[in-house]
Amino acid sequence: EPEVTQTPSHQVTQMGQEVILRCVPISNHLYFYWYRQILGQKVEFLVSFYNNEISEKSEIFDDQFSVERPDGSNFTLKIRSTKLEDSAMYFCASRVSGRAGLDTQYFGPGTRLTVL
Amino acid sequence: QKEVEQNSGPLSVPEGAIASLNCTYSDRGSQSFFWYRQYSGKSPELIMSIYSNGDKEDGRFTAQLNKASQYVSLLIRDSQPSDSATYLCAVKNAGGTSYGKLTFGQGTILTVHP
Repeated sequence: EPEVTQTPSHQVTQMGQEVILRCVPISNHLYFYWYRQILGQKVEFLVSFYNNEISEKSEIFDDQFSVERPDGSNFTLKIRSTKLEDSAMYFCASRVSGRAGLDTQYFGPGTRLTVL
Repeated sequence: QKEVEQNSGPLSVPEGAIASLNCTYSDRGSQSFFWYRQYSGKSPELIMSIYSNGDKEDGRFTAQLNKASQYVSLLIRDSQPSDSATYLCAVKNAGGTSYGKLTFGQGTILTVHP
């Protein structure tokens, strides 16, 4: 069964450094998302991406964040200058369509980002 | 601010019992509702989706939706210790500027004890 994959599974970085989190969505999916979950807190929406552009972003997704689909398979989240409060699990998700019944989002296994 | 509320629990039930998980949402225009299961340190895993008022059954799981009351629930029959996890209610917000983002509740921790 097709799955969303994410790399790396765990990333440790120093404050102020740039990180790139990578995702490979399910191949026939058209809508892509990043969410994050700070330890012990709820899953929060960051950004959605459709037709090669950002379709919606949350207040969390400020100028330090960017997303890109550099080729037909990868979907990346870049954090330019990490802060301690960026430490969280980052989940990539994808879905086929916006139509009810086909709008389930499937989540990747996540990348645990630790900022020291 | 569109909100999704869940009782964080923990909810503890004996093996074989029915576990009942509840969720309310604030966006009256929401049309798609999802229950995900999340084991500690893992990603959300879809259990069920529901779109229409009433009940939807899948194996031991039944989702119930009442749009008038803005209420979604999940029943787990014959609960097993392997069902012990955090259950996340997620709502896909209505149109407008929303491109299908999910708003999650804080999750209900379920423990099924032998």
